[in-house]
Amino acid sequence: SYVLTQPPSVSAAPGETAKITCGGNTIESRSVHWYQQKSGQAPVVVISHDSGRPSGIPERFSGSNSGSTATLTISRVEAEDEADYHCQVWDPGSDHWVFGGGTKLTVL
Amino acid sequence: QVRLVESGGGVVQPGTSLRLSCAASGFSFSTYDLDWVRQVPGKGLEWLAVVSYDGVIEYYADSVRGRFTISRDNSKHILYLQMNNLRFEDTALYFCARSRVGSPFDHWGRGTLLTVSS
Repeated sequence: SYVLTQPPSVSAAPGETAKITCGGNTIESRSVHWYQQKSGQAPVVVISHDSGRPSGIPERFSGSNSGSTATLTISRVEAEDEADYHCQVWDPGSDHWVFGGGTKLTVL
Repeated sequence: QVRLVESGGGVVQPGTSLRLSCAASGFSFSTYDLDWVRQVPGKGLEWLAVVSYDGVIEYYADSVRGRFTISRDNSKHILYLQMNNLRFEDTALYFCARSRVGSPFDHWGRGTLLTVSS
């Protein structure tokens, strides 16, 4: 089955740029979605289809997907960005949705 | 506005059965696929199952195939998850979510907590 690999944790100071990666075999051929999940809340889509930004999501959030790694980039990090971030793809080989293990972003 | 409200969680013993429900409102229920996702507190998201907008197609994660059944009632706007032969490792917060083929889950419920304990 298809596996997505995320680092368990990433940290950044306010104003810095945070990059969260999501690794998978030829992930560039798949459409990657990213979710933000704050403590005690349901996940919210922050990036869809590799780099699309849903309405209401700040421009500071961007996404890219190349080779075997998709990346969520958060520019000018703010305290409110502290959350868990999850990547997701559809695996047509197994007809499964697949989530990465999640990355905790700590704002220093 | 779109609302998804899960219910039916609780504390059950291993080997027993339970049915979760997800009541939907605020959108055209019968035009969206619906999914169940669970999360062990402090851990990542685990996708469990999806049912197509018309209830015809169902897909399951390997971890629950054969024990869990997803279904929907388009007349009542309710999604279900029938869970049989529950195990300790099924303890988690269970979310329902709305989706369309290939697109992200754009709305989620707040979850219902299931604890499997003897």
